[in-house]
Amino acid sequence: AQKVTQAQTEISVVEKEDVTLDCVYETRDTTYYLFWYKQPPSGELVFLIRRNSFDEQNEISGRYSWNFQKSTSSFNFTITASQVVDSAVYFCALSEGEWGGSEKLVFGKGTKLTVNP
Amino acid sequence: EPEVTQTPSHQVTQMGQEVILRCVPISNHLYFYWYRQILGQKVEFLVSFYNNEISEKSEIFDDQFSVERPDGSNFTLKIRSTKLEDSAMYFCASSEKSGLVGDTQYFGPGTRLTVL
Repeated sequence: AQKVTQAQTEISVVEKEDVTLDCVYETRDTTYYLFWYKQPPSGELVFLIRRNSFDEQNEISGRYSWNFQKSTSSFNFTITASQVVDSAVYFCALSEGEWGGSEKLVFGKGTKLTVNP
Repeated sequence: EPEVTQTPSHQVTQMGQEVILRCVPISNHLYFYWYRQILGQKVEFLVSFYNNEISEKSEIFDDQFSVERPDGSNFTLKIRSTKLEDSAMYFCASSEKSGLVGDTQYFGPGTRLTVL
């Protein structure tokens, strides 16, 4: 069965600090997809990144970076030089993709990040 | 940039009443989803819809729920007889399903349903 664990319920940092959000997943499939979504206080879900199970290269997008390690089933998210606007709940999600099949997302419980000025 | 839209943003209803939540997916997307998020909890899958039929549904999606694509643009979620525990944020999502697996799902802003 699919499962996503985000062990950190809440994190509080001061602006300009770096912060890493952890995500550990479980799946029996060899083909799967991992996602991060951001939920700001306004409530919408904003897509951040998608990664497939065959691509273990780390990715950097501005102040955001992602570290995918299959050996530890982890897909961690780092924000460098955090800003107040980064305050949000961040969700990690897993999809076991299959041609022609439904690809429901299984979400973790989320990590609430508060960045204080 | 194309986006998923949902109406209304907030719906208040009495227990036992029927509600219809509306979504307009991104126009070239073929796969549609409903998820819900009870306040402060994680986002949970309800149902997926492709080619005018349900592809998959969760245990939450019981006989009180139904989905429909009444025309070429709208995708609706109906709850026949609402219960207090249906109070949640309901998110619609869509994905392109261009043939690639693991397509990204883009979410709407959500409808907050409050059942009194």
